[in-house]
Amino acid sequence: AQRVTQPEKLLSVFKGAPVELKCNYSYSGSPELFWYVQYSRQRLQLLLRHISRESIKGFTADLNKGETSFHLKKPFAQEEDSAMYYCALSGRSGAGSYQLTFGKGTKLSVIP
Amino acid sequence: DSGVTQTPKHLITATGQRVTLRCSPRSGDLSVYWYQQSLDQGLQFLIQYYNGEERAKGNILERFSAQQFPDLHSELNLSSLELGDSALYFCASSVAPRGGGNTIYFGEGSWLTVV
Repeated sequence: AQRVTQPEKLLSVFKGAPVELKCNYSYSGSPELFWYVQYSRQRLQLLLRHISRESIKGFTADLNKGETSFHLKKPFAQEEDSAMYYCALSGRSGAGSYQLTFGKGTKLSVIP
Repeated sequence: DSGVTQTPKHLITATGQRVTLRCSPRSGDLSVYWYQQSLDQGLQFLIQYYNGEERAKGNILERFSAQQFPDLHSELNLSSLELGDSALYFCASSVAPRGGGNTIYFGEGSWLTVV
């Protein structure tokens, strides 16, 4: 079974402060991890994925297999970063298929 | 624009009724996924199809069913609707059902309100 845990439902930070959105996962194989962002109940947009090791909108995330974590970080928060953030894991669900499992999400609120 | 198209965008219906939500995947994508997003349950995976065949099943109720047609569009049928079925239903698509960097793209969602 695969599971994604985002321990914080809500995270409030001041503009210009560092941001860290936590994500822990449980999966027996080698996981693929993603961060999605959702603005005001619009569609989910892919923010980044661990295999790309890229930085999007100043956000980065590093897969730590030892701690089974994939925390999302940004050094300086901007007001436009206020949104819902979902961590997701793509893992084998059986019969050769893969399933994308989401955490419950963290709402990031950036205070001006 | 992700390239995944969902209709209708908004739908209001009464309890006990049946509705059909439609999804057109991105051009070239063979796999379609359905998710339900409600305030109390978050994002719940419902079902996945690949090239017309069911590939994975999540927390989908027996009152719900889905299919993927030869032209790869998909429909999610919700019947005997209850107030608790009110949610945002997302469709997503990807090139293949496997991992290996497979990225899933989401549509705008269909807002269902059951009254």
